[in-house]
Amino acid sequence: AAGVIQSPRHLIKEKRETATLKCYPIPRHDTVYWYQQGPGQDPQFLISFYEKMQSDKGSIPDRFSAQQFSDYHSELNMSSLELGDSALYFCASKFRLNTEAFFGQGTRLTVV
Amino acid sequence: GQQLNQSPQSMFIQEGEDVSMNCTSSSIFNTWLWYKQDPGEGPVLLIALYKAGELTSNGRLTAQFGITRKDSFLNISASIPSDVGIYFCAGQPTDNPYGQNFVFGPGTRLSVLP
Repeated sequence: AAGVIQSPRHLIKEKRETATLKCYPIPRHDTVYWYQQGPGQDPQFLISFYEKMQSDKGSIPDRFSAQQFSDYHSELNMSSLELGDSALYFCASKFRLNTEAFFGQGTRLTVV
Repeated sequence: GQQLNQSPQSMFIQEGEDVSMNCTSSSIFNTWLWYKQDPGEGPVLLIALYKAGELTSNGRLTAQFGITRKDSFLNISASIPSDVGIYFCAGQPTDNPYGQNFVFGPGTRLSVLP
């Protein structure tokens, strides 16, 4: 069965650069969540989208923005990167009438 | 905001032993999800619970949704080496399935000794 696809799997950026992470949800899933997981930490919710509209917002820095496109894929744009942004970034998707969310394999961002 | 607590934080067990871990909250949750995460990988959904008192099994895994709706436990029977990982509970705090994010517990790190 198709799973949530994230790209790239690994990304190395320098401080103050920008990065774009992509998430392709499971087919027919209309809800996407973005999470950030620091080393040894539990996933922290950043932002979510339902039917291409932002549905909820968590601890997402103002330097970050995200959107969901007409094909339901989502992109997380990160600007003015800081060393502390180094983390695993996960995307999860679900179908609106279900409550089970499925995660992608994540993007490991390293800011040097 | 809502917070989840998991216990124990970590555990070391012998292969073949049974494992029990739990998740508690000061708030009511409508859904409990249990995930397992391997290092550097995304959390994998193990079991989903939808109503108070519900007991659900998935192979060697059994989970229950507490009747107070503020807790859940996960049991693993006859542990094997591939059970090693971090087990997260997650809850969806409201009836709104469209927007509310999932709140994650801090995880229980399981190590299985051969």
